Amino acid sequence: AQTVTQSQPEMSVQEAETVTLSCTYDTSESDYYLFWYKQPPSRQMILVIRQEAYKQQNATENRFSVNFQKAAKSFSLKISDSQLGDAAMYFCASPTRGAQKLVFGQGTRLTINP
Amino acid sequence: GAVVSQHPSWVICKSGTSVKIECRSLDFQATTMFWYRQFPKQSLMLMATSNEGSKATYEQGVEKDKFLINHASLTLSTLTVTSAHPEDSSFYICSASFGSMNTEAFFGQGTRLTVV
Repeated sequence: AQTVTQSQPEMSVQEAETVTLSCTYDTSESDYYLFWYKQPPSRQMILVIRQEAYKQQNATENRFSVNFQKAAKSFSLKISDSQLGDAAMYFCASPTRGAQKLVFGQGTRLTINP
Repeated sequence: GAVVSQHPSWVICKSGTSVKIECRSLDFQATTMFWYRQFPKQSLMLMATSNEGSKATYEQGVEKDKFLINHASLTLSTLTVTSAHPEDSSFYICSASFGSMNTEAFFGQGTRLTVV
């Protein structure tokens, strides 16, 4: 069974600082994708960033980047220059084998301190 | 990105009644949609996979007779909570993707169901 684990229930960071959210996963696949989703207070799920496992280069989207360590099965999200609008629940997720359904981690609630 | 619309955003119903939630892909065809349930301050829990033109596939522990799923077209899936009880109160979210397991999933806005 595929599992995704987020060990940080809550994180906080000062505005304009950098924060890293951790995620580990377990899979028997050799080729897969990993996702970070954001769920703000509106509860709308928004894709933040996506990483392809066969690509060695870490994905980057503006202030968001990942540190993908395939051997360690680690997929952390770094948010640079944190903004108040970044406050949300962040979920790490991966598709299950042969299916499109996503397995989500437990989530990390990120608070931005002004 | 593609748009998935979920309706209603919130609903209050009396215990024992049934409630239908709609999930529509507005600008793409979705052969597969997914229904999740989210309890307060918790993660998304997959309830079932909705397949167009065929029966839904339910996750272990989800009562298929209570949570009826119909995927009548490539753009519409519905979740009906039958004989709702207060313990069914929750946040329900649908998602859809273009078809590949590695493509982005697009989520509806979610529906907050309160059973009184």
